[in-house]
Amino acid sequence: AQSVTQLDSQVPVFEEAPVELRCNYSSSVSVYLFWYVQYPNQGLQLLLKYLSGSTLVKGINGFEAEFNKSQTSFHLRKPSVHISDTAEYFCAVFSGGYNKLIFGAGTRLAVHP
Amino acid sequence: DAGVIQSPRHEVTEMGQEVTLRCKPISGHDYLFWYRQTMMRGLELLIYFNNNVPIDDSGMPEDRFSAKMPNASFSTLKIQPSEPRDSAVYFCASSLLPGELFFGEGSRLTVL
Repeated sequence: AQSVTQLDSQVPVFEEAPVELRCNYSSSVSVYLFWYVQYPNQGLQLLLKYLSGSTLVKGINGFEAEFNKSQTSFHLRKPSVHISDTAEYFCAVFSGGYNKLIFGAGTRLAVHP
Repeated sequence: DAGVIQSPRHEVTEMGQEVTLRCKPISGHDYLFWYRQTMMRGLELLIYFNNNVPIDDSGMPEDRFSAKMPNASFSTLKIQPSEPRDSAVYFCASSLLPGELFFGEGSRLTVL
Protein backbone atom coordinates (compact mmCIF):
# COMPACT_ATOMS: atom_id res chain seq x y z
CA ALA A 1 0.00 0.00 0.00
CA GLN A 2 1.04 3.58 -0.43
CA SER A 3 0.93 6.28 2.24
CA VAL A 4 2.01 9.85 2.86
CA THR A 5 3.26 11.32 6.12
CA GLN A 6 3.47 15.03 6.67
CA LEU A 7 5.67 15.43 9.69
CA ASP A 8 4.38 18.79 10.90
CA SER A 9 0.72 19.61 11.40
CA GLN A 10 1.46 23.32 11.85
CA VAL A 11 4.40 25.52 10.90
CA PRO A 12 4.51 29.11 12.16
CA VAL A 13 6.99 31.41 10.46
CA PHE A 14 7.68 35.12 10.15
CA GLU A 15 7.25 36.97 6.89
CA GLU A 16 10.33 36.90 4.62
CA ALA A 17 11.81 33.90 6.47
CA PRO A 18 12.53 30.63 4.67
CA VAL A 19 10.28 27.63 5.23
CA GLU A 20 10.41 23.88 4.68
CA LEU A 21 7.36 21.62 4.88
CA ARG A 22 8.28 17.98 5.23
CA CYS A 23 6.74 15.03 3.45
CA ASN A 24 7.66 11.34 3.44
CA TYR A 25 5.95 8.65 1.43
CA SER A 26 5.92 4.90 1.20
CA SER A 27 5.19 2.89 -1.88
CA SER A 28 6.41 -0.36 -3.31
CA VAL A 29 6.28 0.94 -6.87
CA SER A 30 7.47 4.06 -8.64
CA VAL A 31 5.38 7.11 -7.89
CA TYR A 32 4.43 10.55 -8.96
CA LEU A 33 4.53 13.16 -6.19
CA PHE A 34 2.55 16.35 -5.76
CA TRP A 35 2.05 19.31 -3.50
CA TYR A 36 -1.33 21.01 -3.33
CA VAL A 37 -2.32 24.20 -1.52
CA GLN A 38 -5.69 25.02 0.02
CA TYR A 39 -6.56 28.59 0.91
CA PRO A 40 -9.39 29.18 3.40
CA ASN A 41 -12.82 28.18 2.12
CA GLN A 42 -11.45 27.05 -1.23
CA GLY A 43 -10.67 23.81 -2.99
CA LEU A 44 -7.16 22.48 -3.41
CA GLN A 45 -4.96 23.64 -6.25
CA LEU A 46 -1.83 22.11 -7.67
CA LEU A 47 1.39 23.77 -6.49
CA LEU A 48 3.96 21.51 -8.17
CA LYS A 49 4.59 17.96 -9.29
CA TYR A 50 7.37 15.42 -9.72
CA LEU A 51 6.91 12.86 -12.47
CA SER A 52 10.47 11.97 -13.50
CA GLY A 53 13.77 13.58 -14.43
CA SER A 54 15.30 16.37 -12.39
CA THR A 55 14.75 15.83 -8.68
CA LEU A 56 14.32 19.55 -8.04
CA VAL A 57 10.99 20.82 -9.26
CA LYS A 58 9.70 24.37 -9.26
CA GLY A 59 6.10 25.36 -8.83
CA ILE A 60 3.91 28.40 -8.62
CA ASN A 61 4.35 31.25 -6.13
CA GLY A 62 8.10 30.65 -5.73
CA PHE A 63 7.81 27.20 -4.15
CA GLU A 64 10.09 24.31 -4.99
CA ALA A 65 10.44 20.71 -3.85
CA GLU A 66 13.15 18.10 -3.99
CA PHE A 67 12.52 14.41 -4.61
CA ASN A 68 14.86 12.17 -2.62
CA LYS A 69 14.34 8.54 -3.54
CA SER A 70 16.72 7.09 -0.95
CA GLN A 71 14.98 8.93 1.86
CA THR A 72 11.52 8.62 0.26
CA SER A 73 10.98 12.31 0.84
CA PHE A 74 9.53 15.21 -1.11
CA HIS A 75 10.00 18.32 1.03
CA LEU A 76 8.55 21.66 -0.02
CA ARG A 77 10.60 24.85 0.36
CA LYS A 78 10.35 28.56 -0.17
CA PRO A 79 13.27 30.92 0.49
CA SER A 80 11.12 33.86 1.59
CA VAL A 81 7.45 33.59 2.54
CA HIS A 82 4.71 36.19 2.33
CA ILE A 83 1.60 36.70 4.41
CA SER A 84 -0.39 35.48 1.41
CA ASP A 85 1.27 32.06 1.66
CA THR A 86 -0.77 31.34 4.77
CA ALA A 87 -2.71 28.21 3.83
CA GLU A 88 -2.83 24.45 4.26
CA TYR A 89 -0.41 22.43 2.18
CA PHE A 90 -0.97 18.82 1.19
CA CYS A 91 1.57 16.34 -0.08
CA ALA A 92 0.16 13.58 -2.29
CA VAL A 93 1.40 10.41 -3.94
CA PHE A 94 0.10 8.69 -7.04
CA SER A 95 1.20 5.32 -8.29
CA GLY A 96 -0.06 3.54 -11.35
CA GLY A 97 -0.37 0.33 -9.42
CA TYR A 98 -3.08 1.78 -7.21
CA ASN A 99 -4.28 4.35 -9.74
CA LYS A 100 -5.40 6.90 -7.19
CA LEU A 101 -4.05 9.97 -5.46
CA ILE A 102 -3.46 9.64 -1.72
CA PHE A 103 -3.12 12.80 0.35
CA GLY A 104 -1.21 13.43 3.54
CA ALA A 105 -2.90 14.96 6.57
CA GLY A 106 -1.81 18.46 5.62
CA THR A 107 0.47 21.12 7.14
CA ARG A 108 -0.97 24.44 8.14
CA LEU A 109 1.50 27.22 7.31
CA ALA A 110 0.91 30.40 9.30
CA VAL A 111 2.97 33.41 8.19
CA HIS A 112 3.18 36.20 10.77
CA PRO A 113 4.18 39.82 10.15
CA ASP B 1 -12.81 27.33 -18.78
CA ALA B 2 -14.97 27.83 -15.71
CA GLY B 3 -13.29 25.09 -13.73
CA VAL B 4 -15.06 22.42 -11.70
CA ILE B 5 -18.44 23.64 -10.56
CA GLN B 6 -20.12 22.29 -7.45
CA SER B 7 -23.52 22.98 -6.00
CA PRO B 8 -24.79 23.79 -3.51
CA ARG B 9 -21.91 25.59 -1.78
CA HIS B 10 -23.65 25.23 1.57
CA GLU B 11 -26.33 22.83 2.70
CA VAL B 12 -27.93 22.62 6.12
CA THR B 13 -30.35 19.78 6.65
CA GLU B 14 -31.86 17.68 9.37
CA MET B 15 -30.94 14.14 10.20
CA GLY B 16 -32.81 11.66 8.06
CA GLN B 17 -33.19 13.93 5.06
CA GLU B 18 -31.82 13.14 1.63
CA VAL B 19 -28.91 15.23 0.41
CA THR B 20 -27.78 15.53 -3.21
CA LEU B 21 -24.52 17.21 -4.14
CA ARG B 22 -23.80 18.07 -7.75
CA CYS B 23 -20.67 18.45 -9.83
CA LYS B 24 -19.82 19.61 -13.33
CA PRO B 25 -16.25 18.62 -14.26
CA ILE B 26 -13.96 20.45 -16.64
CA SER B 27 -14.81 19.64 -20.22
CA GLY B 28 -12.52 17.00 -21.68
CA HIS B 29 -11.41 15.56 -18.34
CA ASP B 30 -12.10 11.84 -18.23
CA TYR B 31 -11.58 11.26 -14.50
CA LEU B 32 -13.90 12.51 -11.78
CA PHE B 33 -13.32 12.17 -8.04
CA TRP B 34 -15.39 12.75 -4.94
CA TYR B 35 -13.49 13.56 -1.72
CA ARG B 36 -14.69 14.34 1.78
CA GLN B 37 -12.75 16.62 4.13
CA THR B 38 -13.14 16.74 7.90
CA MET B 39 -10.91 17.95 10.69
CA MET B 40 -10.72 14.48 12.20
CA ARG B 41 -10.13 12.39 9.08
CA GLY B 42 -8.59 14.86 6.63
CA LEU B 43 -9.15 14.28 2.92
CA GLU B 44 -10.77 10.97 2.07
CA LEU B 45 -11.33 9.65 -1.43
CA LEU B 46 -14.89 8.38 -1.63
CA ILE B 47 -15.18 7.25 -5.23
CA TYR B 48 -13.78 7.95 -8.65
CA PHE B 49 -15.00 7.53 -12.20
CA ASN B 50 -13.23 7.06 -15.50
CA ASN B 51 -15.21 7.85 -18.64
CA ASN B 52 -18.39 7.93 -16.54
CA VAL B 53 -17.81 4.43 -15.13
CA PRO B 54 -17.22 3.98 -11.36
CA ILE B 55 -13.79 2.47 -10.91
CA ASP B 56 -13.21 2.41 -7.17
CA ASP B 57 -15.89 3.04 -4.57
CA SER B 58 -14.03 1.46 -1.68
CA GLY B 59 -13.99 4.78 0.16
CA MET B 60 -17.75 5.17 0.26
CA PRO B 61 -18.55 4.95 3.97
CA GLU B 62 -21.70 2.87 3.78
CA ASP B 63 -24.79 2.09 1.78
CA ARG B 64 -26.32 5.43 2.62
CA PHE B 65 -23.89 6.98 0.14
CA SER B 66 -24.26 6.63 -3.61
CA ALA B 67 -22.70 8.37 -6.60
CA LYS B 68 -23.62 8.51 -10.24
CA MET B 69 -22.19 9.96 -13.41
CA PRO B 70 -24.89 9.78 -16.09
CA ASN B 71 -22.78 11.67 -18.62
CA ALA B 72 -19.38 13.28 -19.04
CA SER B 73 -20.53 16.66 -17.74
CA PHE B 74 -22.44 15.79 -14.59
CA SER B 75 -22.09 13.76 -11.42
CA THR B 76 -24.05 13.49 -8.18
CA LEU B 77 -23.26 12.29 -4.69
CA LYS B 78 -26.30 11.34 -2.68
CA ILE B 79 -26.66 10.64 1.01
CA GLN B 80 -29.89 9.02 2.14
CA PRO B 81 -30.67 9.17 5.01
CA SER B 82 -28.21 11.78 6.24
CA GLU B 83 -26.68 11.68 9.73
CA PRO B 84 -24.84 14.31 11.79
CA ARG B 85 -21.54 12.46 11.29
CA ASP B 86 -21.85 13.13 7.55
CA SER B 87 -21.19 16.81 8.20
CA ALA B 88 -18.11 17.71 6.17
CA VAL B 89 -16.91 19.55 3.10
CA TYR B 90 -17.38 17.45 -0.01
CA PHE B 91 -15.11 18.14 -2.94
CA CYS B 92 -15.44 17.12 -6.53
CA ALA B 93 -12.34 17.08 -8.72
CA SER B 94 -11.63 16.20 -12.32
CA SER B 95 -8.43 15.33 -14.15
CA LEU B 96 -6.96 14.44 -17.48
CA LEU B 97 -3.44 13.52 -16.34
CA PRO B 98 -2.58 11.13 -13.48
CA GLY B 99 -2.52 12.91 -10.13
CA GLU B 100 -3.18 16.36 -11.56
CA LEU B 101 -6.58 17.13 -10.07
CA PHE B 102 -8.65 20.27 -10.47
CA PHE B 103 -10.89 20.80 -7.48
CA GLY B 104 -14.18 22.58 -7.14
CA GLU B 105 -14.77 24.97 -4.27
CA GLY B 106 -16.57 22.32 -2.27
CA SER B 107 -20.01 21.79 -0.77
CA ARG B 108 -20.16 22.34 2.98
CA LEU B 109 -22.75 20.00 4.48
CA THR B 110 -24.15 20.40 7.96
CA VAL B 111 -26.54 17.76 9.23
CA LEU B 112 -28.38 18.74 12.40
